[in-house]
Amino acid sequence: NAGVMQNPRHLVRRRGQEARLRCSPMKGHSHVYWYRQLPEEGLKFMVYLQKENIIDESGMPKERFSAEFPKEGPSILRIQQVVRGDSAAYFCASSPPGVLTNNEQFFGPGTRLTVL
Amino acid sequence: LAKTTQPISMDSYEGQEVNITCSHNNIATNDYITWYQQFPSQGPRFIIQGYKTKVTNEVASLFIPADRKSSTLSLPRVSLSDTAVYYCLLHTGGFKTIFGAGTRLFVKA
Repeated sequence: NAGVMQNPRHLVRRRGQEARLRCSPMKGHSHVYWYRQLPEEGLKFMVYLQKENIIDESGMPKERFSAEFPKEGPSILRIQQVVRGDSAAYFCASSPPGVLTNNEQFFGPGTRLTVL
Repeated sequence: LAKTTQPISMDSYEGQEVNITCSHNNIATNDYITWYQQFPSQGPRFIIQGYKTKVTNEVASLFIPADRKSSTLSLPRVSLSDTAVYYCLLHTGGFKTIFGAGTRLFVKA
């Protein structure tokens, strides 16, 4: 049973370009979360999605950032017109459907975005 | 969501027991206490979760006093491979999870 997959693992973009980060949740998981982590800091929640729905995007910057989790295919975190401050590790996590008290989230290996 | 406070860093030696305490004075009745472990260049990994008293699994133990205002993660006989960042989290049955800065544990030979 494959874990959470993220690609690419490393992504280099120049300022002003677009970055697309992909996340395939674990089989059977319908909840996806995106986090951002700056060096030497903890993870910052960005967005929580279920299939075709954004449930909570309170941690997502209002501009340039968007996320989707289509009925078919991986979840996509899209960053338009990247700036140097977007350089970070972006982690995706997934959890199974239903309301669970423990809400264990399974994390992917992350995508390290570097903006030149 | 209630805030947690834990030490920024800790050092230990191989074979020792390590106890990392987390303060959560404003914990809500429905909050569960969860600990994650993160190695460099990897995503966090769930270690253990509890509501009250003591929970033990193959990796660690979690001690929670009756007032639930703090919790202690106990790692028995640590090895070099336990060097990582350990995060203490609170959450209810909802899905939003807030990570703090965590505790950097460095295990020395």
